[in-house]
Amino acid sequence: SQQGEEDPQALSIQEGENATMNCSYKTSINNLQWYRQNSGRGLVHLILIRSNEREKHSGRLRVTLDTSKKSSSLLITASRAADTASYFCATPWMDSSYKLIFGSGTRLLVRP
Amino acid sequence: DVKVTQSSRYLVKRTGEKVFLECVQDMDHENMFWYRQDPGLGLRLIYFSYDVKMKEKGDIPEGYSVSREKKERFSLILESASTNQTSMYLCASRVPADTEAFFGQGTRLTVV
Repeated sequence: SQQGEEDPQALSIQEGENATMNCSYKTSINNLQWYRQNSGRGLVHLILIRSNEREKHSGRLRVTLDTSKKSSSLLITASRAADTASYFCATPWMDSSYKLIFGSGTRLLVRP
Repeated sequence: DVKVTQSSRYLVKRTGEKVFLECVQDMDHENMFWYRQDPGLGLRLIYFSYDVKMKEKGDIPEGYSVSREKKERFSLILESASTNQTSMYLCASRVPADTEAFFGQGTRLTVV
């Protein structure tokens, strides 16, 4: 049972352009997290946004959260080839706050 | 820095073998997770443990069991490995709150 679904599944952009990825989820949440995964490696946490926040920034990352639409977006500005990775959103599963449920991810390719 | 270590990066096992995947974390985290990752399916939760000797099934527990005898170690057991369990397995840990999860580097298991 997937809680979050990312869109698009794959994204290819030129270096220097902005990349936007979206995440939709099904149930009420108290926070949403974004992770990055380089090919064949484990995931690394990028940013956490709480349900009472609408926007959050971290370096070149900007995350928004719209709880009325049950959606979030991750914007990477001025992308670099090193940003090439898969990006996942994750939400706690409301029947058990211990569970962290991930979406299927967006594969981002940044062309030099 | 938090470190989550999985015992193997790559593993090849035969059908019917009993397989143990080990995960150790060094930050005294109560929560630990096992996910499997397959192309197009994202991360799916197999089992998680919210404390020593406490466990709960995730979305796809069939064919797997887990053991958490010590706080730092969470083992995933494939009772009788099958080819459809060929996958990337990811272990994660975190404190029991709305915080980030820390992932190991992953174990790519091939069952032949």
